[in-house]
Amino acid sequence: DTAVSQTPKYLVTQMGNDKSIKCEQNLGHDTMYWYKQDSKKFLKIMFSYNNKELIINETVPNRFSPKSPDKAHLNLHINSLELGDSAVYFCASSQGNPADTQYFGPGTRLTVL
Amino acid sequence: GQNIDQPTEMTATEGAIVQINCTYQTSGFNGLFWYQQHAGEAPTFLSYNVLDGLEEKGRFSSFLSRSKGYSYLLLKELQMKDSASYLCAVRDGDYQLIWGAGTKLIIKP
Repeated sequence: DTAVSQTPKYLVTQMGNDKSIKCEQNLGHDTMYWYKQDSKKFLKIMFSYNNKELIINETVPNRFSPKSPDKAHLNLHINSLELGDSAVYFCASSQGNPADTQYFGPGTRLTVL
Repeated sequence: GQNIDQPTEMTATEGAIVQINCTYQTSGFNGLFWYQQHAGEAPTFLSYNVLDGLEEKGRFSSFLSRSKGYSYLLLKELQMKDSASYLCAVRDGDYQLIWGAGTKLIIKP
């Protein structure tokens, strides 16, 4: 059984489009995250939700909007996509706070043309 | 400021031993994680140290010295499948996990 799943795995789109990435975890965890990993492989936290409440909101363009309908789901919507948004986006979850062991989804490779 | 340093890349031979170092400077410290990430895949948890000393888990061991702001990951009996990036991450307080840029380990036959 997949613990943390993301869809889609690959996303190729044109500049200016709006797209969403979905994430679901079946671990019963309270906290979920979105990370961006660029071509240099640096993992950068974007957002974190604990029980549907936003607890980490790093300096990210407001074109990126997370939504957590329940504690098992955290979606990421991106408006007006730009070339620089091309990266791998990882969803993760942990039992309690963000400093607990985190379990990652398989990643979504976003390519903006 | 917050800073985590790891070598960018290391090369080792199959069957050998390699040590990947991580030094950190953070405003707080509440534990250090090591994650493994194979190319094109997600990071996976390897180890967690919060007290000084060595934690052994099969072929992998992780060491921590809080006074020196230093940790290492020791991989023994290297196998080709150990070729991956190894990420060091520090728990800084309750709500922060600071990530290093990762060390790419290349294993040669």
